[in-house]
Amino acid sequence: DTGVSQDPRHKITKRGQNVTFRCDPISEHNRLYWYRQTLGQGPEFLTYFQNEAQLEKSRLLSDRFSAERPKGSFSTLEIQRTEQGDSAMYLCASSPPRTGGINEQFFGPGTRLTVL
Amino acid sequence: AQSVTQLGSHVSVSEGALVLLRCNYSSSVPPYLFWYVQYPNQGLQLLLKYTTGATLVKGINGFEAEFKKSETSFHLTKPSAHMSDAAEYFCAVRGNTGFQKLVFGTGTRLLVSP
Repeated sequence: DTGVSQDPRHKITKRGQNVTFRCDPISEHNRLYWYRQTLGQGPEFLTYFQNEAQLEKSRLLSDRFSAERPKGSFSTLEIQRTEQGDSAMYLCASSPPRTGGINEQFFGPGTRLTVL
Repeated sequence: AQSVTQLGSHVSVSEGALVLLRCNYSSSVPPYLFWYVQYPNQGLQLLLKYTTGATLVKGINGFEAEFKKSETSFHLTKPSAHMSDAAEYFCAVRGNTGFQKLVFGTGTRLLVSP
């Protein structure tokens, strides 16, 4: 029974470079979420996918950020022209199809991004 | 809209002592409330959740929380702290209709001394 996996776990990049993170949700989870967590803060919602459709996007997701979930399986989060303010932990979570109750979001270990 | 306030960025207790982590929420609709724990370099793990029904909710690792609507609170407690409880704890809220994002508090770091 594997959980949510994220790759890479750590990424150091120089300002202005593009980076891409990958999230593999738990098998058969059709809902996928991205959050950003900066130092000393709680996670902040970025975006939500149901299957391959991106249904919700936060104002935090500027035009430098793009997320995809082709075929409704894994997801990628790309940041273009990184800025130092993008340094954060990027968390991915997934949840199963709704069955009438509240479905728990299962979180991955995160990708820690450092922009120099 | 929803928001969460966690009082105390750090809480220190001795092993065996009562753990009390405070969470107050604001929500324009009936809330669903959650407590998550985060160990260093790991993702968040759900401790417990309140949706409807019984207001005293029991979770994993001996933790429990009580939903008090009149006080807009959802404090997390554990009768006896263990060294392994040292971690960051996050309270979160979401609305009860449709898609509602999880809104997290800023977290409370629990320190447990021998």
